[in-house]
Amino acid sequence: NAGVTQTPKFRILKIGQSMTLQCTQDMNHNYMYWYRQDPGMGLKLIYYSVGAGITDKGEVPNGYNVSRSTTEDFPLRLELAAPSQTSVYFCASSTGTGVYGYTFGSGTRLTVV
Amino acid sequence: AQSVTQLDSHVSVSEGTPVLLRCNYSSSYSPSLFWYVQHPNKGLQLLLKYTSAATLVKGINGFEAEFKKSETSFHLTKPSAHMSDAAEYFCVVRGNSGGGADGLTFGKGTHLIIQP
Repeated sequence: NAGVTQTPKFRILKIGQSMTLQCTQDMNHNYMYWYRQDPGMGLKLIYYSVGAGITDKGEVPNGYNVSRSTTEDFPLRLELAAPSQTSVYFCASSTGTGVYGYTFGSGTRLTVV
Repeated sequence: AQSVTQLDSHVSVSEGTPVLLRCNYSSSYSPSLFWYVQHPNKGLQLLLKYTSAATLVKGINGFEAEFKKSETSFHLTKPSAHMSDAAEYFCVVRGNSGGGADGLTFGKGTHLIIQP
């Protein structure tokens, strides 16, 4: 099993550019999440989805959009990149709430210059 | 609401000596607690999880953690450190509110340094 796959692994964007971070999972998990990790910090939730067609904001959603057209895919869209969005982005999936742990992707390191 | 406090930003131990990484939590619900490890430039790997069963939880690579409700703590320990244990460790709480927003709340991390 591939688990959670994120692409690209690295990207440099100029201010104002747009891009989509891809995330796909092959475990048939209903729950998917996007987190960002800033230096010296834990992860903060950007958006999450409890199933295809359903998305909701997390703690730090401003500047991002998501969609969930299939169970497998949960792309994260940056419309107008800003230096404050320089971070490492992690996608994760889970079978359910509460007692279940997450499976994380390997991350996308994004730099906005 | 829930929160996690990792009491040490850096811990340095000698190879072969015990490891203690401290974590306190607060949660409005009966929490699920996790420890994740992140090696440099890698993703996060689950070490262990507490889900209201046994209070002493054993994980991978010789790590274990004890859930103490009275102290609201979930400290991570290992009897003998190995050089490969050098990494960033995150204590994480997940609420059991039953809603879709049961996202993870991360501590800020503890950087574990292993001295040869």
